[in-house]
Amino acid sequence: EVQLVERGGGLVQPGRSLRLSCAASGFTFDDYGMHWVRQAPGKGLEWVSGISWNSGITDYADSVKGRFTISRDNAKNSLYLHMNSLRPEDTALYHCTKGKEGAAVRNDAFDIWGQGTMVTVSS
Amino acid sequence: SYELTQPPSVSVSPGQTASITCSGDKLGDKYASWYQQKPGHSPVLVIYKDSKRPSGIPERFSGSNSGNTATLTISGTQAIDEADYYCQAWDSNTAVFGGGTKVTVL
Repeated sequence: EVQLVERGGGLVQPGRSLRLSCAASGFTFDDYGMHWVRQAPGKGLEWVSGISWNSGITDYADSVKGRFTISRDNAKNSLYLHMNSLRPEDTALYHCTKGKEGAAVRNDAFDIWGQGTMVTVSS
Repeated sequence: SYELTQPPSVSVSPGQTASITCSGDKLGDKYASWYQQKPGHSPVLVIYKDSKRPSGIPERFSGSNSGNTATLTISGTQAIDEADYYCQAWDSNTAVFGGGTKVTVL
């Protein structure tokens, strides 16, 4: 079964850091680009970041550029999101998602989604 | 920054056709994808590359994209199709989602 399981969310104070992880199973992880998409409570979907199969390309939304870093470890079938200088507006459910059609990170759809891990930024 | 605009809500009677639009500048020059999200669940891809259906998605879901508008059509809408629907496209190496449309099956 194809599965993505996120971990690492929690309550954190503004300005602090947090690292999210996503464990992938059921598919050849290093064949696909991977992404993080977040959803604030009661709000819509917002793409956060994407990474190509070999980490050669990383992209970020303007709202997180310079504060968040996406990475992956293909040997561990894992995706990560390092979040620094967290702000209250970063409060959201963070989903790990798989690119549908292959190793490219851009111009792809998101065909597998994890259940998400909740990040709450509050003092 | 690039924006995709969707109507906040669409109502449809069971068995009828629901059409959800997604508007963006020269959207027809890009690929549009559509996602279905039910309360408390993660999104599900229902259409990609404008009109392709992933494996397991019913044939009643179809898509088109031309000019500035992409459209998701649900033919013979069923109660189980009641959900939020999001369009998505890429612009300048950034994935952009529309604001979402709540489909109510009355």
